[in-house]
Amino acid sequence: AQTVTQSQPEMSVQEAETVTLSCTYDTSENNYYLFWYKQPPSRQMILVIRQEAYKQQNATENRFSVNFQKAAKSFSLKISDSQLGDTAMYFCAFMNPRTVNNAGNMLTFGGGTRLMVKP
Amino acid sequence: DAGVTQSPTHLIKTRGQQVTLRCSPKSGHDTVSWYQQALGQGPQFIFQYYEEEERQRGNFPDRFSGHQFPNYSSELNVNALLLGDSALYLCASRSPGRLSNYGYTFGSGTRLTVV
Repeated sequence: AQTVTQSQPEMSVQEAETVTLSCTYDTSENNYYLFWYKQPPSRQMILVIRQEAYKQQNATENRFSVNFQKAAKSFSLKISDSQLGDTAMYFCAFMNPRTVNNAGNMLTFGGGTRLMVKP
Repeated sequence: DAGVTQSPTHLIKTRGQQVTLRCSPKSGHDTVSWYQQALGQGPQFIFQYYEEEERQRGNFPDRFSGHQFPNYSSELNVNALLLGDSALYLCASRSPGRLSNYGYTFGSGTRLTVV
């Protein structure tokens, strides 16, 4: 079974600055997908960025980038030029791409990090 | 393009009652998953439906059951409600085939309070 750990329950950052959220995971699989989801007060989980384990290049999406260290089983999220709208809960998630009973596999989430962006 | 739609948004039930939550997946998606998110915690996987069958199940008791309809919409039923069932229930859908590895699209959830 996979586990995902987010060791920072809360973080804060000044607007326009950079912040890094940490995530570690445990798995015996070699191929998998990792995700960062954002959950604002509206409650909807919004996909921020995804990383495929077989790709060595770190994923980037505009102001969001990851530092994927496969050997260390670490997957951190860096937010550059932080904006007030980035204030939210952030969840790291793991997915095994192998199908289960001919269907896609589930997501395993970490406990989340609450990020506050201060003006 | 409508995303994942869940109803109702909020619900208050009494201990011992039964509840049904509903989910319409994003257009083009055929697989629906349900997650329970307790306050201050990450979502926990309940089960997943594909082709109207339960395909994968998390560590939840049989009081939690579900259904998927031919139009891919889904229901989550919880019987004999306990105070501990109070949580945000999230529905997520995904695309068929290889596009499914792009992840899930989530709804805004149903906030269930058991009193």
